[in-house]
Amino acid sequence: EDQVTQSPEALRLQEGESSSLNCSYTVSGLRGLFWYRQDPGKGPEFLFTLYSAGEEKEKERLKATLTKKESFLHITAPKPEDSATYLCAVQASYGGSQGNLIFGKGTKLSVKP
Amino acid sequence: KAGVTQTPRYLIKTRGQQVTLSCSPISGHRSVSWYQQTPGQGLQFLFEYFSETQRNKGNFPGRFSGRQFSNSRSEMNVSTLELGDSALYLCASSLGGRTEKLFFGSGTQLSVL
Repeated sequence: EDQVTQSPEALRLQEGESSSLNCSYTVSGLRGLFWYRQDPGKGPEFLFTLYSAGEEKEKERLKATLTKKESFLHITAPKPEDSATYLCAVQASYGGSQGNLIFGKGTKLSVKP
Repeated sequence: KAGVTQTPRYLIKTRGQQVTLSCSPISGHRSVSWYQQTPGQGLQFLFEYFSETQRNKGNFPGRFSGRQFSNSRSEMNVSTLELGDSALYLCASSLGGRTEKLFFGSGTQLSVL
């Protein structure tokens, strides 16, 4: 069965304390792996798409990496405004369309000043 | 450019009733997907519509249905509501390509009493 597991469930950091979030996946053929950010009371907001092992993408303090079994979201010197729930999702090659994503349950990140 | 708009924002219904949720995608987007989000299960894919046709469907009972209109606006309907249907229902739109990022609305929070 295709599934996505994210760890840890919750993470508390001090401002400036770098860390990484993990996303492990099992899927029959990966078409793409996505990272989204979700703030309370809002829908998820797109961050990155990764397609193949070894690929990396960066945006401000965030860097996403991909291996054949997992992805990491590295947060460098986080700020309080980075506090949110980070969601990982995969699109299987058999899915047929990009609308069908399998999501993990997310990591809730809190950054204290 | 306006984002994805979902109405209503909140709904309270009782068991056995039915409900219709509405989603207006970003202008020019032809694909609309629906997801159910609960604290226990996270985001789960309901279905996707592209050019008025259902392109993909998740593992939900037939009480959950949807449709898309010629202007790409979409509605989802849940009949014979159950307590377990209480959730945040998210709509997402995209241009409709094979691997594209989704743009989510803020959701409709449905409470079934």
